[in-house]
Amino acid sequence: DAKTTQPTSMDCAEGRAANLPCNHSTISGNEYVYWYRQIHSQGPQYIIHGLKNNETNEMASLIITEDRKSSTLILPHATLRDTAVYYCIVRVPYNTDKLIFGTGTRLQVFP
Amino acid sequence: GAVVSQHPSRVICKSGTSVKIECRSLDFQATTMFWYRQFPKQSLMLMATSNEGSKATYEQGVEKDKFLINHASLTLSTLTVTSAHPEDSSFYICSASGQVNEKLFFGSGTQLSVL
Repeated sequence: DAKTTQPTSMDCAEGRAANLPCNHSTISGNEYVYWYRQIHSQGPQYIIHGLKNNETNEMASLIITEDRKSSTLILPHATLRDTAVYYCIVRVPYNTDKLIFGTGTRLQVFP
Repeated sequence: GAVVSQHPSRVICKSGTSVKIECRSLDFQATTMFWYRQFPKQSLMLMATSNEGSKATYEQGVEKDKFLINHASLTLSTLTVTSAHPEDSSFYICSASGQVNEKLFFGSGTQLSVL
């Protein structure tokens, strides 16, 4: 079973920030939080990952709560091309254990 | 840039034929590759875990004689759908993990349509 739960769908206006939540209450101490997104008929695309500190890159920001039981992916200025399914996953980097996907959040960005 | 190459991106075949899908890690050695299947509007479903030089580990309900996986080198894994039937039509995706790659990249996927 997947270790994360996410809302099924969300809407966001173009140009506004999209905040996608994820619950991972059973996360282990050595597991990182990873975010991927999947645009229709493509493979998942890596977005960002982190352990406990907030992270930011050119695509997004990742906010992880102090107890690490939940996190939020922030797309600061959503565009129509950000419409996709976003998956939150927990895993140990470099680990070869199988990776189970949850249902993800379908983000729809509208004009 | 893409570090996992999957080929072909789309294949249409007749019922009863076999189809081979390749997954290559381009700039790192992938000790482990994962194969997923995805039906429309559903999440990725793990089919099997492939370790270089050993037999693949299949998830419950996945027929190992139908979905043959070979991981003969550290940069190549193949999935062969044998005697394909229309119900095997799906989107197949691979991903690769290695000791020096912490991000776990995915291939672009293969859309299989069995007529």
